[in-house]
Amino acid sequence: AQSVTQPDIHITVSEGASLELRCNYSYGATPYLFWYVQSPGQGLQLLLKYFSGDTLVQGIKGFEAEFKRSQSSFNLRKPSVHWSDAAEYFCAVGRTNFGNEKLTFGTGTRLTIIP
Amino acid sequence: ETGVTQSPTHLIKTRGQQVTLRCSSQSGHNTVSWYQQALGQGPQFIFQYYREEENGRGNFPPRFSGLQFPNYSSELNVNALELDDSALYLCASSLRGARKTEAFFGQGTRLTVV
Repeated sequence: AQSVTQPDIHITVSEGASLELRCNYSYGATPYLFWYVQSPGQGLQLLLKYFSGDTLVQGIKGFEAEFKRSQSSFNLRKPSVHWSDAAEYFCAVGRTNFGNEKLTFGTGTRLTIIP
Repeated sequence: ETGVTQSPTHLIKTRGQQVTLRCSSQSGHNTVSWYQQALGQGPQFIFQYYREEENGRGNFPPRFSGLQFPNYSSELNVNALELDDSALYLCASSLRGARKTEAFFGQGTRLTVV
Protein backbone atom coordinates (compact mmCIF):
# COMPACT_ATOMS: atom_id res chain seq x y z
CA ALA A 1 0.00 0.00 0.00
CA GLN A 2 1.16 3.50 -0.69
CA SER A 3 1.87 6.06 2.02
CA VAL A 4 2.93 9.68 2.35
CA THR A 5 5.03 11.28 5.08
CA GLN A 6 5.19 14.99 5.72
CA PRO A 7 7.77 15.26 8.47
CA ASP A 8 7.10 18.90 9.36
CA ILE A 9 3.85 19.46 11.21
CA HIS A 10 4.26 23.23 11.44
CA ILE A 11 6.63 25.64 9.71
CA THR A 12 7.00 29.38 10.35
CA VAL A 13 8.56 31.56 7.67
CA SER A 14 9.09 35.29 7.36
CA GLU A 15 7.29 37.04 4.54
CA GLY A 16 9.59 37.25 1.54
CA ALA A 17 11.72 34.31 2.64
CA SER A 18 12.05 31.09 0.69
CA LEU A 19 10.05 28.00 1.55
CA GLU A 20 10.52 24.27 1.24
CA LEU A 21 7.95 21.75 2.45
CA ARG A 22 9.04 18.14 2.56
CA CYS A 23 7.15 15.13 1.29
CA ASN A 24 8.28 11.52 1.14
CA TYR A 25 6.19 8.77 -0.39
CA SER A 26 6.17 5.02 -0.47
CA TYR A 27 4.88 3.29 -3.57
CA GLY A 28 6.23 0.38 -5.57
CA ALA A 29 5.79 1.84 -9.02
CA THR A 30 5.97 5.29 -10.54
CA PRO A 31 3.56 7.41 -8.54
CA TYR A 32 1.32 10.25 -9.43
CA LEU A 33 2.14 13.05 -6.98
CA PHE A 34 0.16 16.09 -5.94
CA TRP A 35 0.40 19.09 -3.66
CA TYR A 36 -2.84 20.61 -2.37
CA VAL A 37 -3.41 23.70 -0.23
CA GLN A 38 -6.26 24.14 2.23
CA SER A 39 -7.29 27.38 3.89
CA PRO A 40 -9.14 27.14 7.22
CA GLY A 41 -12.57 25.57 6.84
CA GLN A 42 -12.13 25.20 3.10
CA GLY A 43 -11.73 22.41 0.59
CA LEU A 44 -8.55 21.48 -1.22
CA GLN A 45 -7.01 23.40 -4.08
CA LEU A 46 -4.48 21.74 -6.34
CA LEU A 47 -1.13 23.55 -6.48
CA LEU A 48 0.64 21.20 -8.85
CA LYS A 49 0.88 17.62 -10.01
CA TYR A 50 3.47 15.20 -11.36
CA PHE A 51 2.58 12.33 -13.63
CA SER A 52 5.69 11.79 -15.74
CA GLY A 53 8.34 13.63 -17.71
CA ASP A 54 10.19 16.64 -16.38
CA THR A 55 10.88 16.10 -12.70
CA LEU A 56 10.61 19.82 -11.90
CA VAL A 57 6.97 20.79 -11.93
CA GLN A 58 5.61 24.31 -11.94
CA GLY A 59 2.33 25.11 -10.29
CA ILE A 60 0.05 27.96 -9.43
CA LYS A 61 0.87 30.87 -7.11
CA GLY A 62 4.59 30.62 -7.86
CA PHE A 63 5.05 27.14 -6.36
CA GLU A 64 7.22 24.41 -7.80
CA ALA A 65 8.07 20.86 -6.77
CA GLU A 66 10.80 18.43 -7.70
CA PHE A 67 10.30 14.68 -8.00
CA LYS A 68 13.36 12.73 -6.87
CA ARG A 69 12.86 9.04 -7.42
CA SER A 70 16.10 8.05 -5.65
CA GLN A 71 14.94 9.81 -2.49
CA SER A 72 11.21 9.03 -2.88
CA SER A 73 10.58 12.71 -2.37
CA PHE A 74 8.43 15.43 -3.87
CA ASN A 75 9.31 18.62 -2.00
CA LEU A 76 7.38 21.83 -2.54
CA ARG A 77 9.25 25.11 -2.91
CA LYS A 78 8.58 28.79 -3.30
CA PRO A 79 11.32 31.41 -3.61
CA SER A 80 9.47 34.18 -1.78
CA VAL A 81 6.38 33.62 0.36
CA HIS A 82 3.50 36.04 0.74
CA TRP A 83 1.25 36.44 3.78
CA SER A 84 -1.58 34.90 1.75
CA ASP A 85 0.37 31.62 1.54
CA ALA A 86 -0.45 30.87 5.17
CA ALA A 87 -2.48 27.66 5.03
CA GLU A 88 -2.28 23.89 5.41
CA TYR A 89 -0.38 22.02 2.70
CA PHE A 90 -0.97 18.40 1.81
CA CYS A 91 1.10 16.08 -0.32
CA ALA A 92 -0.74 13.17 -1.92
CA VAL A 93 0.12 10.11 -3.97
CA GLY A 94 -2.04 8.37 -6.54
CA ARG A 95 -1.46 4.93 -7.90
CA THR A 96 -0.39 4.49 -11.49
CA ASN A 97 -3.63 2.89 -12.61
CA PHE A 98 -5.82 5.40 -10.84
CA GLY A 99 -4.08 8.72 -11.34
CA ASN A 100 -6.10 11.42 -9.70
CA GLU A 101 -8.44 8.95 -7.99
CA LYS A 102 -8.23 7.24 -4.60
CA LEU A 103 -5.49 9.51 -3.34
CA THR A 104 -3.45 8.87 -0.22
CA PHE A 105 -2.66 12.06 1.67
CA GLY A 106 -0.02 13.00 4.18
CA THR A 107 -0.95 14.54 7.51
CA GLY A 108 -0.20 18.02 6.28
CA THR A 109 2.15 20.89 7.10
CA ARG A 110 0.72 24.06 8.58
CA LEU A 111 2.49 27.15 7.26
CA THR A 112 2.56 30.34 9.30
CA ILE A 113 3.89 33.56 7.79
CA ILE A 114 5.31 36.25 10.05
CA PRO A 115 5.79 39.85 8.94
CA GLU B 1 -13.48 28.04 -7.06
CA THR B 2 -14.38 24.60 -8.41
CA GLY B 3 -17.73 23.46 -9.78
CA VAL B 4 -18.09 20.86 -7.04
CA THR B 5 -20.73 21.78 -4.49
CA GLN B 6 -21.48 20.06 -1.22
CA SER B 7 -24.43 20.39 1.10
CA PRO B 8 -24.98 21.12 3.84
CA THR B 9 -21.87 23.07 4.86
CA HIS B 10 -22.28 22.27 8.54
CA LEU B 11 -24.46 20.01 10.60
CA ILE B 12 -24.69 18.63 14.10
CA LYS B 13 -25.98 15.15 14.82
CA THR B 14 -26.43 13.03 17.90
CA ARG B 15 -24.58 9.76 18.41
CA GLY B 16 -26.56 6.87 16.94
CA GLN B 17 -28.34 8.99 14.34
CA GLN B 18 -27.99 8.72 10.58
CA VAL B 19 -26.77 11.44 8.22
CA THR B 20 -26.79 12.07 4.47
CA LEU B 21 -24.30 14.36 2.78
CA ARG B 22 -24.62 15.49 -0.82
CA CYS B 23 -22.21 16.33 -3.60
CA SER B 24 -22.75 17.74 -7.07
CA SER B 25 -19.83 16.98 -9.32
CA GLN B 26 -17.99 19.23 -11.75
CA SER B 27 -19.66 19.49 -15.13
CA GLY B 28 -18.34 16.76 -17.45
CA HIS B 29 -17.01 14.62 -14.62
CA ASN B 30 -18.31 11.08 -14.11
CA THR B 31 -16.52 9.88 -10.98
CA VAL B 32 -17.01 10.98 -7.39
CA SER B 33 -14.73 10.14 -4.48
CA TRP B 34 -15.44 10.81 -0.81
CA TYR B 35 -12.83 11.60 1.81
CA GLN B 36 -12.97 12.04 5.58
CA GLN B 37 -10.68 14.61 7.15
CA ALA B 38 -10.49 14.46 10.92
CA LEU B 39 -9.23 17.52 12.76
CA GLY B 40 -5.50 17.96 12.27
CA GLN B 41 -5.25 15.08 9.80
CA GLY B 42 -5.04 14.63 6.08
CA PRO B 43 -8.04 13.43 4.09
CA GLN B 44 -8.64 9.69 4.08
CA PHE B 45 -10.27 7.95 1.14
CA ILE B 46 -13.68 6.50 2.00
CA PHE B 47 -14.95 5.23 -1.34
CA GLN B 48 -15.51 6.11 -4.95
CA TYR B 49 -18.47 5.91 -7.31
CA TYR B 50 -18.39 5.43 -11.04
CA ARG B 51 -21.37 4.55 -13.23
CA GLU B 52 -23.56 4.51 -10.15
CA GLU B 53 -21.57 1.71 -8.53
CA GLU B 54 -19.02 1.67 -5.74
CA ASN B 55 -15.61 1.37 -7.29
CA GLY B 56 -13.15 0.99 -4.47
CA ARG B 57 -13.33 1.54 -0.72
CA GLY B 58 -10.85 2.59 1.89
CA ASN B 59 -10.67 1.29 5.44
CA PHE B 60 -14.16 2.32 6.50
CA PRO B 61 -16.95 0.13 7.93
CA PRO B 62 -20.14 -0.75 6.04
CA ARG B 63 -22.16 1.84 7.95
CA PHE B 64 -20.54 4.27 5.53
CA SER B 65 -22.42 3.88 2.26
CA GLY B 66 -23.13 5.94 -0.79
CA LEU B 67 -25.03 6.45 -3.98
CA GLN B 68 -24.32 7.97 -7.33
CA PHE B 69 -27.14 9.24 -9.50
CA PRO B 70 -27.44 9.32 -13.30
CA ASN B 71 -26.40 12.99 -13.30
CA TYR B 72 -23.20 11.88 -11.49
CA SER B 73 -24.09 13.63 -8.24
CA SER B 74 -23.53 11.56 -5.14
CA GLU B 75 -24.58 11.01 -1.55
CA LEU B 76 -22.64 9.77 1.43
CA ASN B 77 -24.69 8.08 4.14
CA VAL B 78 -23.41 7.29 7.59
CA ASN B 79 -25.51 5.15 9.93
CA ALA B 80 -25.21 4.74 13.69
CA LEU B 81 -23.06 7.84 14.06
CA GLU B 82 -20.15 7.70 16.49
CA LEU B 83 -18.30 10.59 18.09
CA ASP B 84 -15.23 9.75 15.99
CA ASP B 85 -17.24 10.40 12.83
CA SER B 86 -16.92 14.10 13.56
CA ALA B 87 -14.87 15.42 10.66
CA LEU B 88 -14.82 17.43 7.45
CA TYR B 89 -16.21 15.31 4.62
CA LEU B 90 -14.87 16.17 1.20
CA CYS B 91 -16.01 14.99 -2.15
CA ALA B 92 -13.89 15.11 -5.28
CA SER B 93 -15.01 14.73 -8.85
CA SER B 94 -12.90 13.55 -11.73
CA LEU B 95 -13.20 12.19 -15.22
CA ARG B 96 -12.57 8.46 -15.56
CA GLY B 97 -10.34 7.87 -18.55
CA ALA B 98 -8.54 11.16 -18.10
CA ARG B 99 -6.40 10.28 -15.12
CA LYS B 100 -3.72 12.81 -15.87
CA THR B 101 -6.06 15.63 -15.03
CA GLU B 102 -7.08 17.32 -11.86
CA ALA B 103 -9.61 15.99 -9.38
CA PHE B 104 -11.68 18.91 -8.10
CA PHE B 105 -12.66 19.08 -4.45
CA GLY B 106 -15.72 20.65 -2.92
CA GLN B 107 -15.63 22.90 0.13
CA GLY B 108 -16.67 20.07 2.38
CA THR B 109 -19.35 19.36 4.96
CA ARG B 110 -18.36 19.80 8.59
CA LEU B 111 -20.10 17.09 10.63
CA THR B 112 -20.15 17.28 14.39
CA VAL B 113 -21.45 14.31 16.36
CA VAL B 114 -22.42 15.00 19.96
